[in-house]
Amino acid sequence: GENVEQHPSTLSVQEGDSAVIKCTYSDSASNYFPWYKQELGKRPQLIIDIRSNVGEKKDQRIAVTLNKTAKHFSLHITETQPEDSAVYFCAASMSGAAGNKLTFGGGTRVLVKP
Amino acid sequence: DGGITQSPKYLFRKEGQNVTLSCEQNLNHDAMYWYRQDPGQGLRLIYYSQIVNDFQKGDIAEGYSVSREKKESFPLTVTSAQKNPTAFYLCASSPGTGYNQPQHFGDGTRLSIL
Repeated sequence: GENVEQHPSTLSVQEGDSAVIKCTYSDSASNYFPWYKQELGKRPQLIIDIRSNVGEKKDQRIAVTLNKTAKHFSLHITETQPEDSAVYFCAASMSGAAGNKLTFGGGTRVLVKP
Repeated sequence: DGGITQSPKYLFRKEGQNVTLSCEQNLNHDAMYWYRQDPGQGLRLIYYSQIVNDFQKGDIAEGYSVSREKKESFPLTVTSAQKNPTAFYLCASSPGTGYNQPQHFGDGTRLSIL
């Protein structure tokens, strides 16, 4: 089955700096890669996603890049703000007969220091 | 998302007892999912359902059971066979599985052992 590794497990940045989280996946058939943000005790919320026919996607201060050859994808947050502090999860899935099963990485705890 | 309702928010289980977690969605989504989240860890898939009256085991199905008798409802039973049930349980739904579509989560149920 799919295996997703996420690094780093914790990330501390100064407000205004950039944050980068990296994920690798094992199944080359995976074709959908969402990112979720989870605040303490709350539901994960989808912040951005990318499909395998696209190499990069941006949404304001957030961007995701995908390298299918190397089987890794990354989340970039620019001009970080204190409200960006949360746990971020990457995930991978492949549509098909087995269903839209998401396999999650272990999460990255991001702390933005004022 | 306001369209996915999980109840109760907190649940306590006595040893040897089965407990059922409720998940209801009014988004008209075909697919529904149950995940388990342990402290400081990612989400692991317990069961998922692509259509009414059909469901499949995820990665950690042992000790759990589900039913999908109605499109909008996907209850999870934590049986006495699950020896370590303390965790945060998250239900999610997505429009379908034909092509990868985002999964959206409920607010979760926190289950503890008495």
